[in-house]
Amino acid sequence: DAKTTQPPSMDCAEGRAANLPCNHSTISGNEYVYWYRQIHSQGPQYIIHGLKNNETNEMASLIITEDRKSSTLILPHATLRDTAVYYCIVRTLSNFGNEKLTFGTGTRLTIIP
Amino acid sequence: EPEVTQTPSHQVTQMGQEVILRCVPISNHLYFYWYRQILGQKVEFLVSFYNNEISEKSEIFDDQFSVERPDGSNFTLKIRSTKLEDSAMYFCASSSGGGSWLIEQYFGPGTRLTVT
Repeated sequence: DAKTTQPPSMDCAEGRAANLPCNHSTISGNEYVYWYRQIHSQGPQYIIHGLKNNETNEMASLIITEDRKSSTLILPHATLRDTAVYYCIVRTLSNFGNEKLTFGTGTRLTIIP
Repeated sequence: EPEVTQTPSHQVTQMGQEVILRCVPISNHLYFYWYRQILGQKVEFLVSFYNNEISEKSEIFDDQFSVERPDGSNFTLKIRSTKLEDSAMYFCASSSGGGSWLIEQYFGPGTRLTVT
């Protein structure tokens, strides 16, 4: 799976949009971008995923650049409960659907009151 | 909303003892996983399981580890003879379906294993 690079930490004011960048310059055509987060020491939580189009769900938006070499996760109105470590993960498409997740060190996002 | 559950939440054991960590995946899910996270480190993949057999395992998952789905609802991780370095948070995850698409994995709250 392609390697990803994320800043180790970020702060964001409560109520503002949190924009978390991820670089995946070696991504290949059959690899998706996934985002998970881990609040304190809880189990990782799925947020969103995409291939090349921008995606939005009730939690966040995912913006993928046209060359697919980087992406940004956007939490539109951050709350204190969004304080967590956010992981950008690239996964290969296959016919099995049970590929492991390879976690990096992620970005520790702190929401400031 | 359905969720993955794990028991116990915290297990303390002595070095050399056997431990079994238990997980109840989401009921209609077909793929099961174990991950672990040593304190302050990354979440690491251990093993994936489908159709009553291991699909993939990492280098960490050596002969001391085994997994089982004994009764169609539980999914267990056994460590035969625990070592100090097995101390970690162990997460179970499950996902549905398969085929040529990627399905998100749902994680349980974890079992903190402390080996003394």
